[in-house]
Amino acid sequence: EDQVTQSPEALRLQEGESSSLNCSYTVSGLRGLFWYRQDPGKGPEFLFTLYSAGEEKEKERLKATLTKKESFLHITAPKPEDSATYLCAVEPQGAQKLVFGQGTRLTINP
Amino acid sequence: DTAVSQTPKYLVTQMGNDKSIKCEQNLGHDTMYWYKQDSKKFLKIMFSYNNKELIINETVPNRFSPKSPDKAHLNLHINSLELGDSAVYFCASSQTRTEAFFGQGTRLTVV
Repeated sequence: EDQVTQSPEALRLQEGESSSLNCSYTVSGLRGLFWYRQDPGKGPEFLFTLYSAGEEKEKERLKATLTKKESFLHITAPKPEDSATYLCAVEPQGAQKLVFGQGTRLTINP
Repeated sequence: DTAVSQTPKYLVTQMGNDKSIKCEQNLGHDTMYWYKQDSKKFLKIMFSYNNKELIINETVPNRFSPKSPDKAHLNLHINSLELGDSAVYFCASSQTRTEAFFGQGTRLTVV
């Protein structure tokens, strides 16, 4: 069964304190791995898609990386506005759907 | 311009009632989805439609019936609502093999 596990469940950082979020996955065949950001009361907002091991994508203070078993979302010198829940999802080969992890709730204190 | 819009944003109803949630996308995408987010914030696929055809039905009770009148709309009708149906329901759309864009969600509360 396709499965996504994110860790930690919650992470509290001081402004400027860099860290990484982990997404481990098991899937029969990976078409793509997606990172989303979700703010309270809103829908998930797309951040990145990664397709193959070794691939990296960057956007402002965020960088996503992918291996054959996991993905990391690195956040460098975060600001309070980076506080949100970060969701990881995989799209299995041949299946038009996303399988989500439970998310990491990130809080950045000023 | 909202890309994926759902109505209503909030829905409070009694057990046993029937209700509908509407979704529209103006992105020209060919695939639309319904996801359910439970109280632990876990998002799970319910249905997937491609060009108005149902392609995924993830063991959702028969009380849930999606309807796609055209490829820009995917509505969700729920019969005989139960307490356990309380959740946030998200509509999403994508072009085949690209990222999905989500609506703002409909918070359904069954009392």
